[in-house]
Amino acid sequence: KAGVTQTPRYLIKTRGQQVTLSCSPISGHRSVSWYQQTPGQGLQFLFEYFSETQRNKGNFPGRFSGRQFSNSRSEMNVSTLELGDSALYLCASSFHRDGTVMGEQFFGPGTRLTVL
Amino acid sequence: GIQVEQSPPDLILQEGANSTLRCNFSDSVNNLQWFHQNPWGQLINLFYIPSGTKQNGRLSATTVATERYSLLYISSSQTTDSGVYFCAVEQIKAAGNKLTFGGGTRVLVKP
Repeated sequence: KAGVTQTPRYLIKTRGQQVTLSCSPISGHRSVSWYQQTPGQGLQFLFEYFSETQRNKGNFPGRFSGRQFSNSRSEMNVSTLELGDSALYLCASSFHRDGTVMGEQFFGPGTRLTVL
Repeated sequence: GIQVEQSPPDLILQEGANSTLRCNFSDSVNNLQWFHQNPWGQLINLFYIPSGTKQNGRLSATTVATERYSLLYISSSQTTDSGVYFCAVEQIKAAGNKLTFGGGTRVLVKP
């Protein structure tokens, strides 16, 4: 079974631009979560989607948004990029047995975003 | 929110040595996972261990949920064990779920 895939793997943008990152979960997984990793703040939760609905959101400004499609693929968007948005963005998927219980989460390789 | 602390923050080992990494958490949890982050940034699943003990080759983990800690044991360490080890916990809440990560333990295994 293929793992979680993320595209693109690397991205360079300038301040003020916007960016869209994509995540394809493991087949059969309906929950997708996004995390940001920076040297200063570590790994922080951005948001989680299940069946196209955002169920939980971390403490990030409204410039960070996401969505999930009917095939469980997810995208996250960052508008008006700032230097501090430079980070590794990780996507994770998990299989929900009953719609509420989170199983083991599996991570993709990440997208490394550099904002100049 | 829940706090997750990992110790030690850094660990230097000679190849062949054994080590123990610790993860303390401040509240009851429904899920606990250990990850190894490789040099390219990918988080590799080591254990899904909300309670009890598991072993996988030279690695084993124990979670004592009632005392709010988990331990990761590395035996006969190899240079390929180098990297950052993260503990992450999850609490099931009606508003959705998320993993809260510790700060990690950076391990360097010298030949």
